[in-house]
Amino acid sequence: AQKITQTQPGMFVQEKEAVTLDCTYDTSDPSYGLFWYKQPSSGEMIFLIYQGSYDQQNATEGRYSLNFQKARKSANLVISASQLGDSAMYFCAMRERSNYQLIWGAGTKLIIKP
Amino acid sequence: KAGVTQTPRYLIKTRGQQVTLSCSPISGHRSVSWYQQTPGQGLQFLFEYFSETQRNKGNFPGRFSGRQFSNSRSEMNVSTLELGDSALYLCASSQGDSSYEQYFGPGTRLTVT
Repeated sequence: AQKITQTQPGMFVQEKEAVTLDCTYDTSDPSYGLFWYKQPSSGEMIFLIYQGSYDQQNATEGRYSLNFQKARKSANLVISASQLGDSAMYFCAMRERSNYQLIWGAGTKLIIKP
Repeated sequence: KAGVTQTPRYLIKTRGQQVTLSCSPISGHRSVSWYQQTPGQGLQFLFEYFSETQRNKGNFPGRFSGRQFSNSRSEMNVSTLELGDSALYLCASSQGDSSYEQYFGPGTRLTVT
């Protein structure tokens, strides 16, 4: 069964606009963590933001915020004021307490237009 | 603090050969995980080592193996290479039990011809 679903294979966004990248997940483990990573064309996986299942508030890191809706099992990434350098693949991933591996979504290719 | 390093960055091998990839985690990190990334299969977990012990293993054939040394550096080995093993191999380190965050190296791009 698909544990992490990213429904947007690709997105085009105008520079300076906000963008929301969707991610839904499925787990029966009450303790888990959700991650977003950015992968530029160079290939390196860059950690962006983390949300724990017991965290009461949505995580924020600079221009990145995570819209965590636990009941809906949704963990969308919001990038405010997009920049040309934000063009990359974005991956949502989950790690369950009972498991040591990251489970990945298929990714969303984000292209920022000038 | 230095990040995760992986060597070599690029590698070309022929079918049937074997290859060893190396990963040095962030200083103080005791957990090292390996992932394979291909256009067709996406990102898949290979295995994770913590304090020289394999804690978890993904669904890969026995040709894929790994180990971790006492200084937390890790190696993964692929024997009898197949064309389908061509991929970006990513290594990630984390502190271990108490930390969920994983930090990735630049990857090793393996091409099998």
